[in-house]
Amino acid sequence: QVHLQESGPRLVKPSETLSLTCIVSGGSVSRYYWSWIRQPPGKRLEWIGYFSYNGDTNYNPSLKSRVTMSVDVSKNQFSLTLNSVSAADTAVYSCARGRTVGGPRGYFDYWGQGTLVTVSS
Amino acid sequence: EIVLTQSPGTLSLSPGERATLSCRASQSVSNNYLAWFQQKPGQAPRLLIYGASTRATGIPDRFSGSGSGTDFTLTISRLEPEDFAVYYCQQYCYSPVTFGQGTRLEIK
Repeated sequence: QVHLQESGPRLVKPSETLSLTCIVSGGSVSRYYWSWIRQPPGKRLEWIGYFSYNGDTNYNPSLKSRVTMSVDVSKNQFSLTLNSVSAADTAVYSCARGRTVGGPRGYFDYWGQGTLVTVSS
Repeated sequence: EIVLTQSPGTLSLSPGERATLSCRASQSVSNNYLAWFQQKPGQAPRLLIYGASTRATGIPDRFSGSGSGTDFTLTISRLEPEDFAVYYCQQYCYSPVTFGQGTRLEIK
């Protein structure tokens, strides 16, 4: 059974950088596609971006200028960095394994339970 | 960006009843690239259906998906107590992938 667990600071100051890590067990990050998804309070789920085992990355155009994703195969984990955050970036952030049908298009078969990150001074 | 609209927002039913949840897309979703998820408080979302009608591994057969084009349906044939949760649809035909706003299924 694949298990994903998000970790990282729960409180980030405006204009600073949000950094989260997703630790994967029961499966290798060297296979499949891996994504970050967020849900601001009272709003819809929003796909942030993905990276693939072959090095491809793709980010939501709405966040592309501020997002970076990376992977640490030795630790079987992957990370999200979101720069210049504001209150609008307050959300539950979840990592997920993606099953692609072509490029960034795919569905998510395993998710972490999510972590609430609040942007506030 | 494709907008998915789910209805109703909240559905109040009793165990044993049949639940019908709707997901409508602002554009046609080709190849039936639509998935359904279940989420309970404090838990990770659980994939139920992909390809509009294919049940994910381990999903009971009381869950079924149907539809094509712009209109999709998730049906739960006989509600069990553990089925009361929030359900989301997601399209993966177009990038960026997008999600519906959710339907809350509550006990009547």
